[in-house]
Amino acid sequence: GENVEQHPSTLSVQEGDSAVIKCTYSDSASNYFPWYKQELGKRPQLIIDIRSNVGEKKDQRIAVTLNKTAKHFSLHITETQPEDSAVYFCAASIGNNDMRFGAGTRLTVKP
Amino acid sequence: GAVVSQHPSWVICKSGTSVKIECRSLDFQATTMFWYRQFPKQSLMLMATSNEGSKATYEQGVEKDKFLINHASLTLSTLTVTSAHPEDSSFYICSASSGGSITGELFFGEGSRLTVL
Repeated sequence: GENVEQHPSTLSVQEGDSAVIKCTYSDSASNYFPWYKQELGKRPQLIIDIRSNVGEKKDQRIAVTLNKTAKHFSLHITETQPEDSAVYFCAASIGNNDMRFGAGTRLTVKP
Repeated sequence: GAVVSQHPSWVICKSGTSVKIECRSLDFQATTMFWYRQFPKQSLMLMATSNEGSKATYEQGVEKDKFLINHASLTLSTLTVTSAHPEDSSFYICSASSGGSITGELFFGEGSRLTVL
């Protein structure tokens, strides 16, 4: 089955700096790669996703890149703000089936 | 976006009792729902895939007799933790898709924090 690895496990940046989180996946058939933000004790919230027919997607300060050949995808957050502090999970799946999550990255944005 | 509601949001029970958690899709029909378990500071671990009208598909290592899943309608799936023990204490989260297996986006419930004394 699919195996998703995520790095780093923790990331601390200064407000205004950029943050990058990287994930790799093992199943070349995976075609859907969402990123979720989870605040303590709350449900994961989808922040951005990308499908395998696209190499890059951007939504305001958030962007995701996908390299299908290398089987890795990354989340980029620019101009970070304290409210971006949370745990971020990447995931990979074939459609909605068998979605596997990375281990998570705890992002701390220092004011 | 679509709304998935989970109940109860937290529950405390005695060891040996059973606890039922409900997951409802409020504004869409979900033929498939997913159940996850999350330990503190860890990732979401898929426990099982709940299919409406058929048996759930359990992940390796998840005891189907321990974690009973019922998906009796297109808007409701339930997870029952039977004969709960302290090691079953965890955060349980469900998710569902509004658009079938092609659309992609999953919507999560609020989660249910189970504490077994």
